[in-house]
Amino acid sequence: KQEVTQIPAALSVPEGENLVLNCSFTDSAIYNLQWFRQDPGKGLTSLLLIQSSQREQTSGRLNASLDKSSGRSTLYIAASQPGDSATYLCAVKASGGYNKLIFGAGTRLAVHP
Amino acid sequence: GAGVSQTPSNKVTEKGKYVELRCDPISGHTALYWYRQSLGQGPEFLIYFQGTGAADDSGLPNDRFFAVRPEGSVSTLKIQRTERGDSAVYLCASRSGSTDTQYFGPGTRLTVL
Repeated sequence: KQEVTQIPAALSVPEGENLVLNCSFTDSAIYNLQWFRQDPGKGLTSLLLIQSSQREQTSGRLNASLDKSSGRSTLYIAASQPGDSATYLCAVKASGGYNKLIFGAGTRLAVHP
Repeated sequence: GAGVSQTPSNKVTEKGKYVELRCDPISGHTALYWYRQSLGQGPEFLIYFQGTGAADDSGLPNDRFFAVRPEGSVSTLKIQRTERGDSAVYLCASRSGSTDTQYFGPGTRLTVL
């Protein structure tokens, strides 16, 4: 059974720091991995999607990497801003025709001025 | 165009009552998902529709939970004989056939007293 773990559970940093959020999964047979952002009381917004054949994806100040063989992904946030404060969730989609996403519990990020 | 919408945004009910939660997906999206998110956890998969049919309902916790999508667009999640443990945020997501990205609605917060 696929399990997704995110470390740390919470993070508080001053504005301007570069951050690394970690995600690990137990079954390397994944189709893709996604990073989402969730603001309090809101739904999820997709940030980056990495296919199993890819190593990384970049969008603005965000960079996500994937090492499928070791079951790890990292989300790198450059030059953090207070507006980055949110919960960041990673989710994997299994290979083999399964459509559901398996989520980690998330990392709650607070960036203070 | 408009995103995924869910109604109601909040629902408070008493133990033992029946509730219906509605999801309006993005127009033209053939795939629709329901997830449940408990406090401090990531979303957990409940059911996936492809068109009108439930392609995967393996996440429904028991037979008190049922979902329909009769015309291939709007979906309703139905919970009979609600229990306090059903309290959570119920999230809906939709996806077009040409992409892997799931677009999430804001969720319905269900509280069972």
